[in-house]
Amino acid sequence: NAGVTQTPKFRVLKTGQSMTLLCAQDMNHEYMYWYRQDPGMGLRLIHYSVGEGTTAKGEVPDGYNVSRLKKQNFLLGLESAAPSQTSVYFCASRPLAFGGTGELFFGEGSRLTVL
Amino acid sequence: KQEVTQIPAALSVPEGENLVLNCSFTDSAIYNLQWFRQDPGKGLTSLLLIQSSQREQTSGRLNASLDKSSGRSTLYIAASQPGDSATYLCAVPYNTDKLIFGTGTRLQVFP
Repeated sequence: NAGVTQTPKFRVLKTGQSMTLLCAQDMNHEYMYWYRQDPGMGLRLIHYSVGEGTTAKGEVPDGYNVSRLKKQNFLLGLESAAPSQTSVYFCASRPLAFGGTGELFFGEGSRLTVL
Repeated sequence: KQEVTQIPAALSVPEGENLVLNCSFTDSAIYNLQWFRQDPGKGLTSLLLIQSSQREQTSGRLNASLDKSSGRSTLYIAASQPGDSATYLCAVPYNTDKLIFGTGTRLQVFP
């Protein structure tokens, strides 16, 4: 009963390095989201996906790319990491319709530090 | 644009008190509202989801109400316990696909 799994949980990068965060969900959810959480800023949406093969920009998409090649996976990439991207990243998923349950499920988070 | 505000930002109470946490939103055209709990260093756990057609939702010692016309939701915690210490966040849908979160209320319940 895994739910939403994020890997890695911790990572330290140097400025300019690249990396990919992986989010996997086993609930057959259509929607997947990447958020970042910073002190005093709350949760901010980076990118999201409404289904396999789709992606869309959120509030703070600059410096990030995403891909949803398989329904169960949502990847978040940093091509050239910057110190401003030091944050805790959360992945979340939910079923199709807000009119139905629409309940959002979160992963445990990935803590990224960029030096 | 939808904006979500949570008051108070922090709350410290003795064990046993009944608590009310507030969530306000600016656009009342919402499908539902969700309350979450976040423990330090952890992800968010869903507590209650209130559909727009509902006025209240209950789970154990938690009761959430929704008043769309006034743009408010409240989370009531009865007989608070130290284990209730966490940050509580509310979230509402925005533009169908997205959710907007409040900045949360950090609750500490001391013995």
